[in-house]
Amino acid sequence: DTGVSQDPRHKITKRGQNVTFRCDPISEHNRLYWYRQTLGQGPEFLTYFQNEAQLEKSRLLSDRFSAERPKGSFSTLEIQRTEQGDSAMYLCASSTQSHGTQYFGPGTRLLVL
Amino acid sequence: AQSVSQHNHHVILSEAASLELGCNYSYGGTVNLFWYVQYPGQHLQLLLKYFSGDPLVKGIKGFEAEFIKSKFSFNLRKPSVQWSDTAEYFCAVNAMDTGRRALTFGSGTRLQVQP
Repeated sequence: DTGVSQDPRHKITKRGQNVTFRCDPISEHNRLYWYRQTLGQGPEFLTYFQNEAQLEKSRLLSDRFSAERPKGSFSTLEIQRTEQGDSAMYLCASSTQSHGTQYFGPGTRLLVL
Repeated sequence: AQSVSQHNHHVILSEAASLELGCNYSYGGTVNLFWYVQYPGQHLQLLLKYFSGDPLVKGIKGFEAEFIKSKFSFNLRKPSVQWSDTAEYFCAVNAMDTGRRALTFGSGTRLQVQP
């Protein structure tokens, strides 16, 4: 399968713990995006990388959230001191620079107890 | 900031009925427009897209959408739905001349097709 992959697919954690999610984009895609989706809503943009540079961040991305893409390939999204309101599906997408279509991964479903 | 409205939150149709799902966006500049579909238990998949040119675009599985710039709309249509079209449908817009690459999504329409 050469699509976008995400790991883990599910994560249950206790409030106050830190969690980290990983995204592997489609191999030739140099743009990578993170979105968050809550029940009954469409995905909401969090942040975007072009290669290793983080070029755009949403106001939704509080200082407890940090994302990296150190070598321009896979990316990690870390949430520190999780809160119950962080419970959501975290989606990763990728695209090429020349073509704007974003392809989505299966998501990581986070539940904060 | 741009926004996307999908007025139909839940649609129930019988097989062979025609489908039209509404999508309106609030940005006045150049846009790329998308419809994504999420089948039960699966991830978001691209159904069709509009970048430029012919405002009537055709996608997979017999879906089509029409971009009407004057109405800021990009409605999704299918002449005859099948039970397998049961899914959630999301409209999304990318405001091209802002330099932003983020997609803004609507809240989605859940389509239930009854056999």
